[in-house]
Amino acid sequence: ETGVTQSPTHLIKTRGQQVTLRCSSQSGHNTVSWYQQALGQGPQFIFQYYREEENGRGNFPPRFSGLQFPNYSSELNVNALELDDSALYLCASSLDRGGDSPLHFGNGTRLTVT
Amino acid sequence: QQQVKQSPQSLIVQKGGISIINCAYENTAFDYFPWYQQFPGKGPALLIAIRPDVSEKKEGRFTISFNKSAKQFSLHIMDSQPGDSATYFCAAKRAGGFKTIFGAGTRLFVKA
Repeated sequence: ETGVTQSPTHLIKTRGQQVTLRCSSQSGHNTVSWYQQALGQGPQFIFQYYREEENGRGNFPPRFSGLQFPNYSSELNVNALELDDSALYLCASSLDRGGDSPLHFGNGTRLTVT
Repeated sequence: QQQVKQSPQSLIVQKGGISIINCAYENTAFDYFPWYQQFPGKGPALLIAIRPDVSEKKEGRFTISFNKSAKQFSLHIMDSQPGDSATYFCAAKRAGGFKTIFGAGTRLFVKA
């Protein structure tokens, strides 16, 4: 089975620009969650998608948005980039949206905003 | 709001020693407590997890101890090896919830 893959691995953007990050979920997983990990910190929940619908959202502004496609892959879009958006963005897929389905993380996209 | 507090921030252990990482939580609705291991340049990977109806769970050299009344849980790594050097995150999730709350992480270095 293929694991979670994310692209690109690294990205440099300028403040005010927009960015799209992509994620392919693990085979058989219908739920994708996105997390932001600042340097030296734990991952912070952004939102979760289940069968193409947003299933829950963390404390992030509306300029963070997402999509999930019929094949369960997903995109994270961030508009009007700010310097504080510089972080590692992690995508995680899981077998289901609730319970104790473990998260399977990709290796992340390192975003630098200058 | 930090709902899962993790300590220590960093830890240095001799090869063969015991590594202990502690976590405390606030929300009594949490009912699933996983630990994740993250190597540099990689995403976190599930190491071991526990539910609050048991006080201890062991998988190989890794053991979780859980104290429901104190709202605390800990990870013990027995016979620590240099290959265990990584960042460890405790986490918590509410029954039926959609998000996993992570601690700030502990950077473990095992000296050979």
